[in-house]
Amino acid sequence: AQSVTQLGSHVSVSEGALVLLRCNYSSSVPPYLFWYVQYPNQGLQLLLKYTSAATLVKGINGFEAEFKKSETSFHLTKPSAHMSDAAEYFCAVSDYGAGGTSYGKLTFGQGTILTVHP
Amino acid sequence: KAGVTQTPRYLIKTRGQQVTLSCSPISGHRSVSWYQQTPGQGLQFLFEYFSETQRNKGNFPGRFSGRQFSNSRSEMNVSTLELGDSALYLCASSLAGVGSAFGSGTRLTVV
Repeated sequence: AQSVTQLGSHVSVSEGALVLLRCNYSSSVPPYLFWYVQYPNQGLQLLLKYTSAATLVKGINGFEAEFKKSETSFHLTKPSAHMSDAAEYFCAVSDYGAGGTSYGKLTFGQGTILTVHP
Repeated sequence: KAGVTQTPRYLIKTRGQQVTLSCSPISGHRSVSWYQQTPGQGLQFLFEYFSETQRNKGNFPGRFSGRQFSNSRSEMNVSTLELGDSALYLCASSLAGVGSAFGSGTRLTVV
């Protein structure tokens, strides 16, 4: 079984400060890992994904994440927060890429609400 | 190209009724997955369809069902609605496996 833990249900930063959202996963096979962002009353937008290529993944809007197998982590970072980054962020895992049969299934963490103060 | 389209955006139903939600994937995408999002349970996987066949199913009761048509459009049906079915239902599409594009969702309220 796969699981995802996002440390901190709420993170607050000042505009211009570093954003760090933490995600740890458990998976019995090499996983695919994802970060999504959700704005109020909207669906999920893919920020970036790790599919067993480069361990440092760059995404949209200046976000990036690093896959660390030894720590089973996939933390999301952004050097300088912007007011428009305020949203809820979800980390997700799938075993599909490793030949698993979890077709279409993403297992999500509980989400982290990011607040950006001026 | 057009994204994933879900209709309707909002729906209010009465307990005991049934409801059908629709999802049109990105052109060329053959995999469609459905998720339920609630404040208490978060995002939970319902099922996935590929080429009109259900390939994977989550832990939901049989009241939740779906289907996929030859043009890859998918519908999800919930029968005998309960108050606890109130949620945002999200659809995701991908070329073959794990969804990377989500629709804006259908907000279902059961009263």
